[in-house]
Amino acid sequence: EVQLVESGGGLVQPGGSLRLSCAVSGFTLSHYGMAWVRQAPGKGLHWVSGISASGDTTFYVDAVKGRFTISRDNSKNTLYLQMNSLTVADTAVYYCAKWNGYGENWGQGTLVTVSS
Amino acid sequence: EIVLTQSPGTLSLSPGERATLSCRASQSVSNNYVAWYQQKPGQSPRPLIYGASSRATGIPDRFSGSGSGTDFTLTISSLEPEDFAVYYCQQYGDSPRTFGQGTKVEIK
Repeated sequence: EVQLVESGGGLVQPGGSLRLSCAVSGFTLSHYGMAWVRQAPGKGLHWVSGISASGDTTFYVDAVKGRFTISRDNSKNTLYLQMNSLTVADTAVYYCAKWNGYGENWGQGTLVTVSS
Repeated sequence: EIVLTQSPGTLSLSPGERATLSCRASQSVSNNYVAWYQQKPGQSPRPLIYGASSRATGIPDRFSGSGSGTDFTLTISSLEPEDFAVYYCQQYGDSPRTFGQGTKVEIK
């Protein structure tokens, strides 16, 4: 069974940093592209970042370029999202997804709240 | 970036009725790479359709997708009680990947 479990969310002040993790099981991480998608409270879905199966290629939405870094450790079956210079607008539930252009499987999400 | 506009915003229907949800793209979506998701409160999105018309694993055949170019449709042939939820379309023909704003299907 494919499982994705996010962790690392929490309350952080504006300008702060967080690192999200996504532990996967039930499939070989190194064979698949992965992505992070976020959803602000009561709002819709927004793709944030993606990474190729090899990890060689990364993608970001303009709103997070230069602040967020996606990475993966295939030996640990874990995907990461390093988030720096956080703003109130980054407040959202962050989902990791097994990504084949679209989200084939999703985690349960982790809530990031940016507030003073 | 490709903007996806879903309509209607809310669809009020009764169990057993047919639901037709629309997703219109601001430009043609390459290879008709459009996916549809269902999301219930407090849950993560569940993929229903990919490639505009292919059902994802385990999705019942009352869900169907159609369309090409800029106009795509998700049809639920006969609503079951568990189908009342929010539905999102997403395109993956261009970067960045983008989602529509969602259509809520509620019980009338």
